[in-house]
Amino acid sequence: GNSVTQMEGPVTLSEEAFLTINCTYTATGYPSLFWYVQYPGEGLQLLLKATKADDKGSNKGFEATYRKETTSFHLEKGSVQVSDSAVYFCAYRSEIQGAQKLVFGQGTRLTINP
Amino acid sequence: DSGVTQTPKHLITATGQRVTLRCSPRSGDLSVYWYQQSLDQGLQFLIQYYNGEERAKGNILERFSAQQFPDLHSELNLSSLELGDSALYFCASSPGGSASYNEQFFGPGTRLTVL
Repeated sequence: GNSVTQMEGPVTLSEEAFLTINCTYTATGYPSLFWYVQYPGEGLQLLLKATKADDKGSNKGFEATYRKETTSFHLEKGSVQVSDSAVYFCAYRSEIQGAQKLVFGQGTRLTINP
Repeated sequence: DSGVTQTPKHLITATGQRVTLRCSPRSGDLSVYWYQQSLDQGLQFLIQYYNGEERAKGNILERFSAQQFPDLHSELNLSSLELGDSALYFCASSPGGSASYNEQFFGPGTRLTVL
C-alpha cells in the first residue's frame, strides 16, 4: 500500500555536523513531497516541499531533492544548529477524486548537542 | 503562529466518556483536516471537510465523528473513549479542497489523555 518510510531515530549530532534523514515513499504516480518539522510543544510546520521529479525544495539551510528513480526525498543540512532539534516528518500528498490528505512517515527525532 | 487555533490544549478524561475538540481554521481557508498523532500509530489522517461537507475520510473510527459549521470552524467528537485514544489531535486548514496544491497549515494540537 501507499506509505512513507523514514530513517529511524532518534538521531543525535553535534552542532555544525552534516545531517541526512532518509525518506522513501510508495505511491502511485508522482505525488508532491513534503518535509514538516515539529518543535517541542508545537504543531507541525511546513519546512520544504517539491512538487515534481528533480525539484529541489529548500528552506532554513535544509534541502531535499525529489528523486523519482529511487522514490526518495532525503532531507539534508550542511551544518546543523542546536535550534534544529525537533521531530522531522516526511510526507506526500495523496489525492483521490479531488480530495487530498497527507500521508506521513513515522517521524525522526533529531537532537543537536552544543 | 499558523493562524489555526485549537481548543482545549489539554484534555484529561476517563474511559467511556465523550469529548469534543474544536478547531478554527485560518481566515479564508475552506478546508479543515483532522489528524491523530499517537506513539504506536504515528501521524494519521482522520477526516477532511470542505466548506461544510465531508470531503475525504481516513482511518477514523466509528466512535469518532466530525463536522464543519457555517462559520467554517470544525469539531471532532470522540465517544466511548478507550485508553488507546490517548493521543495528540491536530487540525489543519488550507484554502481550497480541490486537487490543486493547497498547503496545509497545522494548529498546535489538543493532547487527549484517557485514564
